[in-house]
Amino acid sequence: DAKTTQPPSMDCAEGRAANLPCNHSTISGNEYVYWYRQIHSQGPQYIIHGLKNNETNEMASLIITEDRKSSTLILPHATLRDTAVYYCIVRVAGGNQFYFGTGTSLTVIP
Amino acid sequence: DTGVSQDPRHKITKRGQNVTFRCDPISEHNRLYWYRQTLGQGPEFLTYFQNEAQLEKSRLLSDRFSAERPKGSFSTLEIQRTEQGDSAMYLCASSPVSGLNNSPLHFGNGTRLTVT
Repeated sequence: DAKTTQPPSMDCAEGRAANLPCNHSTISGNEYVYWYRQIHSQGPQYIIHGLKNNETNEMASLIITEDRKSSTLILPHATLRDTAVYYCIVRVAGGNQFYFGTGTSLTVIP
Repeated sequence: DTGVSQDPRHKITKRGQNVTFRCDPISEHNRLYWYRQTLGQGPEFLTYFQNEAQLEKSRLLSDRFSAERPKGSFSTLEIQRTEQGDSAMYLCASSPVSGLNNSPLHFGNGTRLTVT
């Protein structure tokens, strides 16, 4: 499975969009991009995933570049409860493991 | 949807003791995973089951660790002769096996083990 690179930390003002980048330059054609977040003392929470096309759900949007070497998770209106560590993961379809890195620690500032 | 349930949430034990954790996955999820997470790090894969079969084990899973899923439903993770280095959060996750096999994992809130 391809490796991902994320900034260690980011800040975002409450009510603004939070844009979290992820580089996955070695991604292969059958690998999906997944995003999770983890709030202190809880298990990771699934947010969204995609292969090629941009995806949107009630939590966030996932923008994947055309060459698929990077992606951005967008939280459209960040709230204080979005403060968490966000993990970007790539996994081959049918693969058995999710490899978590150290993620991005997002702090939403009032 | 009751989610993935783990018991206990916290466990404090003395070095050398054995501990056992339980995980109840989302019903009808065929796959069940165990991960370990230490402070400041992301979760690390330990092992996974498809139904009752344990199909893969990480090198992190030393011979003091054993996991079972006897009836393909709940799972237990046992650590024998605990060491201080075993102190961590132990996370369980489950997923269905879909046609495309790209289903996300759904995690429980973990069992935090402290070995004194």
